[in-house]
Amino acid sequence: SQQGEEDPQALSIQEGENATMNCSYKTSINNLQWYRQNSGRGLVHLILIRSNEREKHSGRLRVTLDTSKKSSSLLITASRAADTASYFCATDEKGGGSNYKLTFGKGTLLTVNP
Amino acid sequence: DARVTQTPRHKVTEMGQEVTMRCQPILGHNTVFWYRQTMMQGLELLAYFRNRAPLDDSGMPKDRFSAEMPDATLATLKIQPSEPRDSAVYFCASGLHSGGIYGYTFGSGTRLTVV
Repeated sequence: SQQGEEDPQALSIQEGENATMNCSYKTSINNLQWYRQNSGRGLVHLILIRSNEREKHSGRLRVTLDTSKKSSSLLITASRAADTASYFCATDEKGGGSNYKLTFGKGTLLTVNP
Repeated sequence: DARVTQTPRHKVTEMGQEVTMRCQPILGHNTVFWYRQTMMQGLELLAYFRNRAPLDDSGMPKDRFSAEMPDATLATLKIQPSEPRDSAVYFCASGLHSGGIYGYTFGSGTRLTVV
């Protein structure tokens, strides 16, 4: 079952603009991760934010986490055509016992137009 | 760069046949996941292992799917008998779950078509 839900499902912007994607989840988490998937390819890990962190940066990526609202956002600044892909949030959530499992949302399809 | 290797990349099989998908995780990683991706359901977690022990396979249809990790360098996902509704891309991912500070590395997937 999906834990995270991304919003919007699809986003189309012009090169150079910023893209913001949101993710909401339901249960307690250890961390939240964002992945990118180019069409027909595997997923690539972008960034991880732990449950005790509020904001994290990596290059043109900025991730925020609000555990009180169970939500996260991914901001890609100065987008490029090469950023066109599907973006997924994944939550490292507690499974049975003390084990954590990684579950994914359905993703946001980002299209960056040249 | 270290990679997660999945074989085969593509598989077309007839309904009722057995299908085995293989995954070679990155050396040193202690966690392996199997996911199935379809347009309708997105990425579904089928099973996962930590230190080769199965932790959760509740996402798998137990009557036809089985997942094993015979050693630290090989994880397998088997479907017997296969059905057309099993057509999907199957991904393996591995990572080091240590304090929850690392992400996971995905393989390129096995695209399964059951006719």
